[in-house]
Amino acid sequence: AQKITQTQPGMFVQEKEAVTLDCTYDTSDQSYGLFWYKQPSSGEMIFLIYQGSYDEQNATEGRYSLNFQKARKSANLVISASQLGDSAMYFCAMHGETSYDKVIFGPGTSLSVIP
Amino acid sequence: GAVVSQHPSWVICKSGTSVKIECRSLDFQATTMFWYRQFPKKSLMLMATSNEGSKATYEQGVEKDKFLINHASLTLSTLTVTSAHPEDSSFYICSARSGTSGSYEQYFGPGTRLTVT
Repeated sequence: AQKITQTQPGMFVQEKEAVTLDCTYDTSDQSYGLFWYKQPSSGEMIFLIYQGSYDEQNATEGRYSLNFQKARKSANLVISASQLGDSAMYFCAMHGETSYDKVIFGPGTSLSVIP
Repeated sequence: GAVVSQHPSWVICKSGTSVKIECRSLDFQATTMFWYRQFPKKSLMLMATSNEGSKATYEQGVEKDKFLINHASLTLSTLTVTSAHPEDSSFYICSARSGTSGSYEQYFGPGTRLTVT
């Protein structure tokens, strides 16, 4: 069974600063994938970034990067140059052995960007 | 990009009635769809995995007879909340995965907010 832990229920960051949202995971699968999703108050789930367990380089997508430390089983999301529109819930998620596996979600971190 | 729609976006129903929520993949064929439930300020909880043409696989603790899932075609899955009660009030979100080999991407619908009075 897989498990995702996000220890920061809420975070604040000053506009234009960088912020790191923590995510640790537990799995016995050799192959797996990690996601980050953003959920604004409207409720829609917005895909941000994906990291496969065998990807050697950390994934990056624009202002988002995933700090993947496999030995520590952590997959932290780094948002650079925070914007007011980044205020939302952020969920770390993972799928197991195959890409067809179900995706389970962590408890989420609420990010507030301060002007 | 791939688009998933849900209908209705919100619904209010009386206790004891049944409510059907539709999840459609608009521009791709979804061999697998997932149904999640989300309580306010909580995470998404997977309810069931739905594969086209076969019975849904429910997560532990989810009542199959309560939450009926039908994946009748490659573009449509439905969730029917039967004999709804106030505790069934929640935000229900579906997601769809394409049939592309090795694809990890899941595309989420906008969600359906159910309120049972």
